[in-house]
Amino acid sequence: AQKVTQAQTEISVVEKEDVTLDCVYETRDTTYYLFWYKQPPSGELVFLIRRNSFDEQNEISGRYSWNFQKSTSSFNFTITASQVVDSAVYFCALSGRDNYGQNFVFGPGTRLSVLP
Amino acid sequence: DGGITQSPKYLFRKEGQNVTLSCEQNLNHDAMYWYRQDPGQGLRLIYYSQIVNDFQKGDIAEGYSVSREKKESFPLTVTSAQKNPTAFYLCASSNGDRGYNEQFFGPGTRLTVL
Repeated sequence: AQKVTQAQTEISVVEKEDVTLDCVYETRDTTYYLFWYKQPPSGELVFLIRRNSFDEQNEISGRYSWNFQKSTSSFNFTITASQVVDSAVYFCALSGRDNYGQNFVFGPGTRLSVLP
Repeated sequence: DGGITQSPKYLFRKEGQNVTLSCEQNLNHDAMYWYRQDPGQGLRLIYYSQIVNDFQKGDIAEGYSVSREKKESFPLTVTSAQKNPTAFYLCASSNGDRGYNEQFFGPGTRLTVL
């Protein structure tokens, strides 16, 4: 069975602080895909990144960076110099290569509050 | 602009009534999905459709029904059989139904049962 754990339910930081959101997954698949989504107060989930299990290179996109470590089954998300607009719920998700889209497994989400 | 629209944004229902939530996409995606989100929880799959005129139950399909008569439309009906329908409902679509296809989401409908 596949499972995604986001142990941090809520995080509060002050603007300009760096913050890391943790994601730990479980899967028996050798090929799988990991995703991060952002859900701002408006409600719509916004796709941020997809990472293939065979590509362990870390990725940076502006203030966002992702650290994928197969050895610890983790796919952590770091926001550098956080801003108030980063306040949202962030979801990590997992899907297997042989799965269809109906088998996306979402974590429970981490609510990030960035205070001015 | 391509995207997914859901209507209405807020919906109030009396107990015992059926209501239908609209979901339309102009992304030309074959696959569409309905999720339910409860406070503090992740998304749970209600129904999905890989192609027109075909749909499958997800993890929590009881009390819900769907149709997929057109590629761009995937309405969800919340029936009176759904015992606890108050929740936030999200529609999504993907270009292909494989696990590596990221899903794109609409803005959601918040349903409240009075």
